[in-house]
Amino acid sequence: KNEVEQSPQNLTAQEGEFITINCSYSVGISALHWLQQHPGGGIVSLFMLSSGKKKHGRLIATINIQEKHSSLHITASHPRDSAVYICAVGNQFYFGTGTSLTVIP
Amino acid sequence: NAGVMQNPRHLVRRRGQEARLRCSPMKGHSHVYWYRQLPEEGLKFMVYLQKENIIDESGMPKERFSAEFPKEGPSILRIQQVVRGDSAAYFCASSRAGGIDYNNEQFFGPGTRLTVL
Repeated sequence: KNEVEQSPQNLTAQEGEFITINCSYSVGISALHWLQQHPGGGIVSLFMLSSGKKKHGRLIATINIQEKHSSLHITASHPRDSAVYICAVGNQFYFGTGTSLTVIP
Repeated sequence: NAGVMQNPRHLVRRRGQEARLRCSPMKGHSHVYWYRQLPEEGLKFMVYLQKENIIDESGMPKERFSAEFPKEGPSILRIQQVVRGDSAAYFCASSRAGGIDYNNEQFFGPGTRLTVL
């Protein structure tokens, strides 16, 4: 069993749709990261959070430490949001396998 | 303030050769992390270093791989006697203080794509 599970693995959405990506983990942590990997391969850190909710532009990340679950939401999705979204947790830097998002114009 | 820099961006080696991947952290960052992404797979942690010290190398293969972060200069990930299975993208990240679990944001470099012929 992986320490970090993401769902869905693949997601296709129409431009403008509200998108949710989920991350569940089994290790104890104090912080979780959401990363974005562009089609060209570059990786950007989107959020680091340890409780509650954070918002940056159209992106919102929430975490429930007790339930060991985090969600990444994208409002008013746009084709430029197409990327792989990865959650990462723990001292051992466990990564989810990523959610590949494609937003169609 | 330049971001994390990695070079080379692309590296081609023949089986048995050595590969040296360099990572220069962001200014003011003294913690460096190396990750590997095999084709069609997710990111995997390899090693976490602080200046002149290896903090956690639990993700490093036991043989042929080594990493250092000297007092001066970039961090180096060294792969000796490369094999085809070493072909992957190697990403470096840096942070101001330590570890993903210490609430310190990591900034990623563009990666080095290693191809072993």
